[in-house]
Amino acid sequence: DAKTTQPNSMESNEEEPVHLPCNHSTISGTDYIHWYRQLPSQGPEYVIHGLTSNVNNRMASLAIAEDRKSSTLILHRATLRDAAVYYCILRDQNSGGSNYKLTFGKGTLLTVNP
Amino acid sequence: DVKVTQSSRYLVKRTGEKVFLECVQDMDHENMFWYRQDPGLGLRLIYFSYDVKMKEKGDIPEGYSVSREKKERFSLILESASTNQTSMYLCASRGALGFRSAEQYFGPGTRLTVT
Repeated sequence: DAKTTQPNSMESNEEEPVHLPCNHSTISGTDYIHWYRQLPSQGPEYVIHGLTSNVNNRMASLAIAEDRKSSTLILHRATLRDAAVYYCILRDQNSGGSNYKLTFGKGTLLTVNP
Repeated sequence: DVKVTQSSRYLVKRTGEKVFLECVQDMDHENMFWYRQDPGLGLRLIYFSYDVKMKEKGDIPEGYSVSREKKERFSLILESASTNQTSMYLCASRGALGFRSAEQYFGPGTRLTVT
């Protein structure tokens, strides 16, 4: 899987928007961009994924650059419960077998201040 | 909501013991995974199963085996536990290939300590 680069940590205030960036300059045409997060002492949790167009769901929005070399996860109003490590992962959706695995990097530790 | 449950949140075992970690999912998913998570190393895939009785080795299968006798259950076995297997173990499942089933659902994890 292609590599992603994220800041080690970010800080936000409660009820403010948060923009978490991810660079993936070697992304291929069949790579989907996935975001997961891991709250303290829990397993990772799916947040959102997309290919080319921006995506919205009840948890977040995903903004994908036109050249697809970067993307941004947007939490519209951060809450204390959003404090977690956020992982940006590329997955070739056409690959099967053990390539279903997710390769988690170090992610971004998001701190939310009250 | 999809639920992936793991038999224990915390487990302490002695070196040389045989250890069973159980994982159950309730969404009829074909694919199930065992990962381990260690500080600085991220998540690493141990084994993967794409159907009942079918399995594939992941990146770090040494010292582990798996069993999938029923679709909903995937077990990780440490034949003879060693201290370097002290870790957080995470089970995950996902449906068949397709955009809508892209996400993996993770269990809460089992923190295993081998003394």
